[in-house]
Amino acid sequence: SQQGEEDPQALSIQEGENATMNCSYKTSINNLQWYRQNSGRGLVHLILIRSNEREKHSGRLRVTLDTSKKSSSLLITASRAADTASYFCAILFSGGYNKLIFGAGTRLAVHP
Amino acid sequence: NAGVTQTPKFQVLKTGQSMTLQCAQDMNHEYMSWYRQDPGMGLRLIHYSVGAGITDQGEVPNGYNVSRSTTEDFPLRLLSAAPSQTSVYFCASGGTANNEQFFGPGTRLTVL
Repeated sequence: SQQGEEDPQALSIQEGENATMNCSYKTSINNLQWYRQNSGRGLVHLILIRSNEREKHSGRLRVTLDTSKKSSSLLITASRAADTASYFCAILFSGGYNKLIFGAGTRLAVHP
Repeated sequence: NAGVTQTPKFQVLKTGQSMTLQCAQDMNHEYMSWYRQDPGMGLRLIHYSVGAGITDQGEVPNGYNVSRSTTEDFPLRLLSAAPSQTSVYFCASGGTANNEQFFGPGTRLTVL
């Protein structure tokens, strides 16, 4: 299917540690986006990386994209308790379908 | 600037009833979409629209209808509600599918 697959499904770390989440896919993409969802809330956009880009940064967030391996990673450095949330990758597959497809997400828990 | 608004926030239906979930955005975005999120899962695309008068099916369109008569509004209609449609529904908008998406706060729907 045209879905991103994320791992791990759940991640539990201490404040100050780094958190890495991965997203893999199977076909060519236009862009890949990362979103955060706090419990019971709507999604908030974090970073968009296009297929011709390899790395993007935003504050403590770093996203990489390896189109040869069809994978992306989201790194949160020096994590805080407030980073506790679910993180989703969303993929716009190439081919003109205009469908933004989400993965199942990674649940991150950051403990004080 | 309200962003993306959704009404109602909560709704309980009986099997077989119909209803419309409302979504509106004031950012003049051409691209709008509807997703459903089941407990502990990612978002699944129901329908999307690339502009007024143009809609298309997503991953899970059965049991749902949409129309897009204006740029601002993108209602989602449940024709005959079923318990399997119990979910949280999110509406999103973006300039195009190739841009970041802005999400509404969601509608929590329960079908008895």
